Amino acid sequence: EAGVVQSPRYKIIEKKQPVAFWCNPISGHNTLYWYLQNLGQGPELLIRYENEEAVDDSQLPKDRFSAERLKGVDSTLKIQPAELGDSAVYLCASSRNWGTQYFGPGTRLTVL
Amino acid sequence: GIQVEQSPPDLILQEGANSTLRCNFSDSVNNLQWFHQNPWGQLINLFYIPSGTKQNGRLSATTVATERYSLLYISSSQTTDSGVYFCAVARRGFQGAQKLVFGQGTRLTINP
Repeated sequence: EAGVVQSPRYKIIEKKQPVAFWCNPISGHNTLYWYLQNLGQGPELLIRYENEEAVDDSQLPKDRFSAERLKGVDSTLKIQPAELGDSAVYLCASSRNWGTQYFGPGTRLTVL
Repeated sequence: GIQVEQSPPDLILQEGANSTLRCNFSDSVNNLQWFHQNPWGQLINLFYIPSGTKQNGRLSATTVATERYSLLYISSSQTTDSGVYFCAVARRGFQGAQKLVFGQGTRLTINP
């Protein structure tokens, strides 16, 4: 069984530029999560999808961050415009309902 | 929200030693997971253990839900066990799966 796939693995951009991250969850997993991990800390949830519906986006900074999960499978997380403080690792995870969450390798974003 | 505390924050051991990592949480939970984050940043599932005891090779975990703590045991440590160990918990709400709340992690270093 393939794991959670994320791309790109690394991204370096200048501030004020847009950036997008892509996630493909484990086949059959209806719940998808985007987490943010700052250096030296545990991941924190940004948004959770149940199928194609965003059911918890309370931690997503909506002025610059957006996400979508068309057709309830793949998901894209976008930042526009990026700020220096957005430098972090962006992790995608998936689960079957409220079961074990499995994480992808993450995208390490550096904003210059 | 739920608070998660992990101890110790750092642990340095010689190869072959045994270790115990602790996770305390502030409220009842439906989900508790232990992860190992390797040097490349990948979060690897170790256990899904909201209650009871599980073992997998040299690793075992015990969660005492009524007393709100979990322990991760690593026996006969190897250098490949080095990395950060995270405990994460979630409480299921009326909307189904809830976000995992992570502790700050225990950084384990195994010296040869």
